[in-house]
Amino acid sequence: DIQMTQSPSSVSASVGDRVTITCRASQGISTWLAWYQQKPGKAPKLLIYAASSLQSGVPSRFSGSGSGTDFTLTISKLQPDDFATYYCQQTNSFLTLTFGGGTKVEIK
Amino acid sequence: EVQLVESGGGLVKPGGSLRLSCAASGFIFTNAWISWVRQAPGKGLEWVGRVKSKADGGTTDYAAPVKGRFTVSTDDSKTTLFLQMESLTTEDTAVYYCATEASYGFVYWGQGALVTVSS
Repeated sequence: DIQMTQSPSSVSASVGDRVTITCRASQGISTWLAWYQQKPGKAPKLLIYAASSLQSGVPSRFSGSGSGTDFTLTISKLQPDDFATYYCQQTNSFLTLTFGGGTKVEIK
Repeated sequence: EVQLVESGGGLVKPGGSLRLSCAASGFIFTNAWISWVRQAPGKGLEWVGRVKSKADGGTTDYAAPVKGRFTVSTDDSKTTLFLQMESLTTEDTAVYYCATEASYGFVYWGQGALVTVSS
């Protein structure tokens, strides 16, 4: 199975900060990558797909980049609603679908 | 509006069985790939298994930790997905979500059902 490694596991930031989360795949996955946001007690929400495409209804302060093995999720100006845990996922359905370990974005 | 509603969670003893249901509405059920994803308490997300659309054969796939113990099935007349879980261990304790699976990710999710395996 392809392993997905996220870093950092947690980050403390203030409203208005720029936050960057990275995700590394153990082998190349082209752009078969999605990012999710999850708040406590809630189901995950799809933010970014195909590494850099914004899901409908997601604010433009969220962006994704990368291909192959290295990917990035950036929140350009952190808002109060953005404090949550973020997960990457490799989405190649020919393989076992795997998630990163998560990055918790906390209030500084 | 797409809705996925899980039910059937609860407390079960190690070695026991449980069946979860996921009632779906708002989309053409037989055209969808639908997966089960679980999350152990305080942990990350783990894909469990899926059923593919009828057009793609309606076949099932499973993650290694549950293969041979869990079975995904459907009742198309009731647009309901099931997860039959056998030989449960404490490692299977988690919130179980059903989610529609597109080629690019899991788009719609249910609210989750908690399964606790404990003696």
